Order: sequence, then C-alpha cells, then structure tokens
Amino acid sequence: NAGVTQTPKFRILKIGQSMTLQCTQDMNHNYMYWYRQDPGMGLKLIYYSVGAGITDKGEVPNGYNVSRSTTEDFPLRLELAAPSQTSVYFCASMLALSGELFFGEGSRLTVL
Amino acid sequence: QKEVEQNSGPLSVPEGAIASLNCTYSDRGSQSFFWYRQYSGKSPELIMSIYSNGDKEDGRFTAQLNKASQYVSLLIRDSQPSDSATYLCAVNAVRSGGSNYKLTFGKGTLLTVNP
Repeated sequence: NAGVTQTPKFRILKIGQSMTLQCTQDMNHNYMYWYRQDPGMGLKLIYYSVGAGITDKGEVPNGYNVSRSTTEDFPLRLELAAPSQTSVYFCASMLALSGELFFGEGSRLTVL
Repeated sequence: QKEVEQNSGPLSVPEGAIASLNCTYSDRGSQSFFWYRQYSGKSPELIMSIYSNGDKEDGRFTAQLNKASQYVSLLIRDSQPSDSATYLCAVNAVRSGGSNYKLTFGKGTLLTVNP
C-alpha cells in the first residue's frame, strides 16, 4: 500500500526558476494538504483541498499555487523560486473528519 | 491568529524516566487535539489523539486535555532511546459552518532519551 507519494525527494533550483512538486495518494482521501517545514519552526500550511476542484489558501500561500483535478493528485507549483522557499515540503492526506494526517516522505527543496 | 505553543526544548531524560511534553493553544473553540512524532529526517506520524477533557492512555503514552486551561500534554512513561524524536502538538478548530479539516501545529519539542 503506497499511501502518499511525493516526488521529487530532493531538488535544487536557481532563483527565478519554477517547478512542480507532485503528490498522489491511493487511499481515496478527500482532504489533501501541503505543508512546509523550516528548521525549528514546525509545520506551516501552504494550501489545502477538501475535494477535487476545491482548493483554499493556508497560512503561507504566497509564491505557490495548487490544483486538484482528481481525488488522487494534488501538485504544488512554485513560481519564480526565491531563497525563502528553501524548505522541506510535506504533502499529506486525511480521511474526512478523522484528524489523522498521512504524510508523504517529504521533498527537500533548495533555492540558490 | 490561532496559535499553538510548545516548550521548544530540547528535553533530555534518562532511560526509564517519565517525559512530559506540554502544549497550549489560543483558540478556545478548538475541538480536537493530536500528538505527532517526527524522527529526524522523517515525516510526522500520529501517535495520540484526544477530544475530551481528562486522560487518554495508549501503552506507554498518556495524553491529557484541559480545555478550560487550553492545555494539552503528553506523558511518555518508561522512556526509551527509541522515543528520541521531535513531538509536534496539533490542534483542530472547527469553524462555524465548516468541517474538521485543518490542523495547526506547534513548533515541536525535541526529546532526547539518554541510555
């Protein structure tokens, strides 16, 4: 059972480049999330989705975009990468109303 | 701004001792409370959830909730070196007309259990 799969695991970007972090889940969960985690700073919510076609901003959405065309996939787009976006990004899914998040393995992004 | 505050630590305890991790939250409307464990370089995993005032025990772990004081804690009895990790407190506030779907995390407390 794959759970939540994120790609790539590591990426180095130059300032101003763009990229997409891919996330897919095979648990048929309605809710999906993107968090970023900076050292010693816990998890900050970037965007989330409560179902296909529905997305909303979290705490730190600036510089990012998302889409949710299917239940399984929730890609995160970084436009015009900046050094402040250097972080570890986690995608997660949740069965509705459970409160239990299932996380992917994370994607470590460095912007130079 | 909904906030979740944790002792930043690090917290160091000897093997076999009780580790006590604390968390306070600002939103009095919060309904659900969770403790996640995160090993270094890994993703968080849920270890405890609690919804009602009082204690909830699961093996060596006990979660305690006091909604009046807006306080939730995690006790780890008979601490083992394998418990060494960062523990993240997460809170789920239900908005009027909304549903339970967003968690706010604290910054985490790093626990080290010394053999």
